[in-house]
Amino acid sequence: GENVEQHPSTLSVQEGDSAVIKCTYSDSASNYFPWYKQELGKGPQLIIDIRSNVGEKKDQRIAVTLNKTAKHFSLHITETQPEDSAVYFCAASINNQGGKLIFGQGTELSVKP
Amino acid sequence: NAGVTQTPKFRVLKTGQSMTLLCAQDMNHEYMYWYRQDPGMGLRLIHYSVGEGTTAKGEVPDGYNVSRLKKQNFLLGLESAAPSQTSVYFCASMNRVSDSPLHFGNGTRLTVT
Repeated sequence: GENVEQHPSTLSVQEGDSAVIKCTYSDSASNYFPWYKQELGKGPQLIIDIRSNVGEKKDQRIAVTLNKTAKHFSLHITETQPEDSAVYFCAASINNQGGKLIFGQGTELSVKP
Repeated sequence: NAGVTQTPKFRVLKTGQSMTLLCAQDMNHEYMYWYRQDPGMGLRLIHYSVGEGTTAKGEVPDGYNVSRLKKQNFLLGLESAAPSQTSVYFCASMNRVSDSPLHFGNGTRLTVT
């Protein structure tokens, strides 16, 4: 089955710097790759996603890139702010399996003012 | 519009006791899911349902049962709790329309002693 590896497990940056979180997946049939942000005491919330027919997607300060050949995808956050501090999870699934996601282990991002 | 609501928020059980976690969604979503979150392991799918009256096993179903008697509710049962079931449990739902995001509740923290 699918396996998703996420790195790093913790990341500390200064406010205004960029942050990059990387994930690799094992199943070449996976074609949907969402990223979730989880704040303390809350459930994960979708922040951006990408499908395998696209190499890059941007939404304001966040972007996701996908390399299907290498089976890895990355989250990029630019101009980080203290409110970006949270745990971020990548995930992968086969499109027609909807919410049956395989999650990475999570990255705890800390943005220092 | 409350989204996905989980009850209770916290619970402590003794080994061998039983309990039911309730998930309710008011978005008229067809699909519902139960995930567990453990440190360093991300979220793992326990069971899911693609419609009222139907359920299926996920990645880690052993020791759990589920029921979806009404479209808006998805119940997760532990018949005989074990310390290995100490975790944070998240319910999620999504519309069956393509490209719909997964909406999570705020979780139930369960401790089994």
